[in-house]
Amino acid sequence: DTGVSQNPRHKITKRGQNVTFRCDPISEHNRLYWYRQTLGQGPEFLTYFQNEAQLEKSRLLSDRFSAERPKGSFSTLEIQRTEQGDSAMYLCASSGRWGTDTQYFGPGTRLTVL
Amino acid sequence: AQTVTQSQPEMSVQEAETVTLSCTYDTSESDYYLFWYKQPPSRQMILVIRQEAYKQQNATENRFSVNFQKAAKSFSLKISDSQLGDAAMYFCAYSSDFTGNQFYFGTGTSLTVIP
Repeated sequence: DTGVSQNPRHKITKRGQNVTFRCDPISEHNRLYWYRQTLGQGPEFLTYFQNEAQLEKSRLLSDRFSAERPKGSFSTLEIQRTEQGDSAMYLCASSGRWGTDTQYFGPGTRLTVL
Repeated sequence: AQTVTQSQPEMSVQEAETVTLSCTYDTSESDYYLFWYKQPPSRQMILVIRQEAYKQQNATENRFSVNFQKAAKSFSLKISDSQLGDAAMYFCAYSSDFTGNQFYFGTGTSLTVIP
């Protein structure tokens, strides 16, 4: 078990471009979460999956954001037409069966939009 | 919505001393879970300690312990015998089966350990 991994670790893009991040959860975990963390703030919930089903989305997740988890394994988070306000650390976490199980976090993907 | 408040943006402690980080939360639920996570600089967030609200006994993990006051909605973290490796941002988090399975985090407390 190597923990939760995220790629890339850093992404610099120009405003208006599309970006995609990947998260590989701990293998036996069926729940996967995405959070956004800006400087000086705690992580804010974006969305979560149970297996391949996306069960909840935050109002922070505008229509420019889309997340998938095909086959209930890895997940991708895509941001279309990036804006400078999208610059943040995007964190992925996974947990076991129950929503209140401990969430294990990946190292995050730091996005900078120029 | 549930809110988690950490009123101490920064704290410092002398090595080997004890420090307490504060956390309060707002909820109308009776059953929930509370967590403390540690985020070292440029490193990933790791769990420090977890508390179930239905348990009266305060959780303890080696040098880390909590003071859980359910009526006061307070959940403080005590770090004993502080070590240089304890320096990090500490986040308090709340979760329950009724919050849509998401964690609510506070804004964090940056802990500095002075040699």
